[in-house]
Amino acid sequence: GENVEQHPSTLSVQEGDSAVIKCTYSDSASNYFPWYKQELGKGSQLIIDIRSNVGEKKDQRIAVTLNKTAKHFSLHITETQPEDSAVYFCAAREGSYIPTFGRGTSLIVHP
Amino acid sequence: DAGITQSPRYKITETGRQVTLMCHQTWSHSYMFWYRQDLGHGLRLIYYSAAADITDKGEVPDGYVVSRSKTENFPLTLESATRSQTSVYFCASSDTQGQSPLHFGNGTRLTVT
Repeated sequence: GENVEQHPSTLSVQEGDSAVIKCTYSDSASNYFPWYKQELGKGSQLIIDIRSNVGEKKDQRIAVTLNKTAKHFSLHITETQPEDSAVYFCAAREGSYIPTFGRGTSLIVHP
Repeated sequence: DAGITQSPRYKITETGRQVTLMCHQTWSHSYMFWYRQDLGHGLRLIYYSAAADITDKGEVPDGYVVSRSKTENFPLTLESATRSQTSVYFCASSDTQGQSPLHFGNGTRLTVT
């Protein structure tokens, strides 16, 4: 089955800095890679996703890159703000099959 | 309002008691999932359902039972709660259309004493 590794488990940055979270996956059949943000006391919400036919996708301060050959994808947050502090999960999914999640990264943005 | 709701938000129960966590979604999504979240383990899949009356085990199903008699509801029952089941439980739903994201509820924090 699919295995997703996520690093780092904790990331501490100063406000305004960039943050990068990396995930690797094992199953080359995976073709959908969403990123979720979980704020304290809430469920995870989709913040950005990428499909295997695309190498990069941006949405304002957030971007995701995908390297299918190396089987890794990354979340990039620029100009971080305190409200970006949360736990971030990556996932890999093949079509409508069960997604596999990484273990999460706790991002702390210091004002 | 459209969405996915879980109840209760918080629950304290004693070891050995039966507990049912409720999950309701209004999108008519075919897929529904139950996860537990524990420090250091991320989200672990307990059970999932591809449609009404179709359920299957995930990574950590022992001690849990699910049912899906209606598309919109997916209750999770702990038949005889144990302290190791103290956790935060998240329900999620997903469309069957390929490459669809999961939509999560806000979770139920369960404490077993």
